Amino acid sequence: QVQLKESGPGLVQPSQTLSLTCTVSGFSLTSNSVSWVRQPPGKGLEWMGAIWSGGSTDYNSALKSRLSISRDTSKSQVFLKMNSLQTEDTAIYFCTLNYGGIHYWGQGVMVTVSS
Amino acid sequence: DIQMTQSPPSLSASLGDKVTITCQASQNINKFIAWYQQKPGKAPRQLIRYTSTLVSGTPSRFSGSGSGRDYSFSISNVESEDIASYYCLQYDKMWTFGGGTKLELK
Repeated sequence: QVQLKESGPGLVQPSQTLSLTCTVSGFSLTSNSVSWVRQPPGKGLEWMGAIWSGGSTDYNSALKSRLSISRDTSKSQVFLKMNSLQTEDTAIYFCTLNYGGIHYWGQGVMVTVSS
Repeated sequence: DIQMTQSPPSLSASLGDKVTITCQASQNINKFIAWYQQKPGKAPRQLIRYTSTLVSGTPSRFSGSGSGRDYSFSISNVESEDIASYYCLQYDKMWTFGGGTKLELK
């Protein structure tokens, strides 16, 4: 059974760095890609970036300069780091695993950027 | 980056109606489009993958079609549980979501 769970701080101060972890169970990270998706309150879904099965990464061009995605396959964890946070980065952050076109999602974690 | 133009942004329907949502990609996406349903406070739920393949558990009143740059998603016989927001997603080259469609009851 595939499970994904996001974890991280609920509150981040402006200009600081956000660090989130996605813990995956039931599927291998070396065989499947994991993406990060976010959703500001009341708005649509935005793909942030992905780490592919081989370990390479791609990022949304609008976030590329601030975003880094990495993984630890031994722990089945994928990490997101985004710097220079602003209030507009307040959102629910989801991780999602792609298995042959079927997408498994975590429940999401709410991150608020505020002083 | 590929852009996805989804329309309409909102839709009002009566129970039993058929509704259709469209997505146009900025380039050919080779049928790599998925459709999602999202209810308030919940994670998105994938309904369709690869243009028209229903994901396990998706009712048969949902359907998808299209090719090249143009794709559509339909719900026949709208039920009250279908009231939600819907998103298209291209996953041919990286990922891009459409802007979303909010389905409401008339």
